[in-house]
Amino acid sequence: DVVMTQTPPSLSVAIGQSVSISCKSSQSLVYSDGKTYLHWLLQSPGQSPKLLIYQVSNLGSGVPDRFSGTGSQKDFTLKISRVEAEDLGVYYCVQATHFPYTFGAGTKLELK
Amino acid sequence: QVQLTESGPGLVHPSETLSLTCTVSGFSLTGYSVYWVRQPSGKGLEWMGRMRYNGDTSYNSALKSRLSISRDTSKNQVFLKMNSLQTDDTGTYYCTRGGDPFAYWGQGTLVTVSS
Repeated sequence: DVVMTQTPPSLSVAIGQSVSISCKSSQSLVYSDGKTYLHWLLQSPGQSPKLLIYQVSNLGSGVPDRFSGTGSQKDFTLKISRVEAEDLGVYYCVQATHFPYTFGAGTKLELK
Repeated sequence: QVQLTESGPGLVHPSETLSLTCTVSGFSLTGYSVYWVRQPSGKGLEWMGRMRYNGDTSYNSALKSRLSISRDTSKNQVFLKMNSLQTDDTGTYYCTRGGDPFAYWGQGTLVTVSS
């Protein structure tokens, strides 16, 4: 199975600060169709996960452009510019290129 | 609009079988896949398996020997059955739509495995 390594496991931030979360996969996530099925989710406290970014860099519906995703092959980054209170929760990367799909362990974003 | 709703027993005894239902609306099961994802209490997410739009299934190899996913397209329902439950199977179980992957989730159903 593809191992997704997310760092850091937690972040303490002030409102308005910018942060980055790293996600590295044990195999290339480029599928045979040339697309890279690496997505980012946010799980707010007590909620179901919500899609933030799909296929590395595409914003999900209704997601503010403070969120951005970059990367390729095995190395990916989620950046949040100007953190707001509603951004707090646990961020997960997930790969949907190889079966079984696998998630990173999560990065918990907390207020400083 | 797209909706997914999980339902199930809440409490299952050790060694018994879990049966969950995901009822969908706003889309057709013959047009989109449905995935099952679980979250042990206080822990991260685990992809369990999927029902493809064409009726094929795929399973997480770690669960494959215990897991079965099926559907009833006339009722817009996808079913999960997992046997030999143990206490570490306790957690929240979600169904989520494929296609535009992970864009739509149910609210989750909490399953507690306890005697």
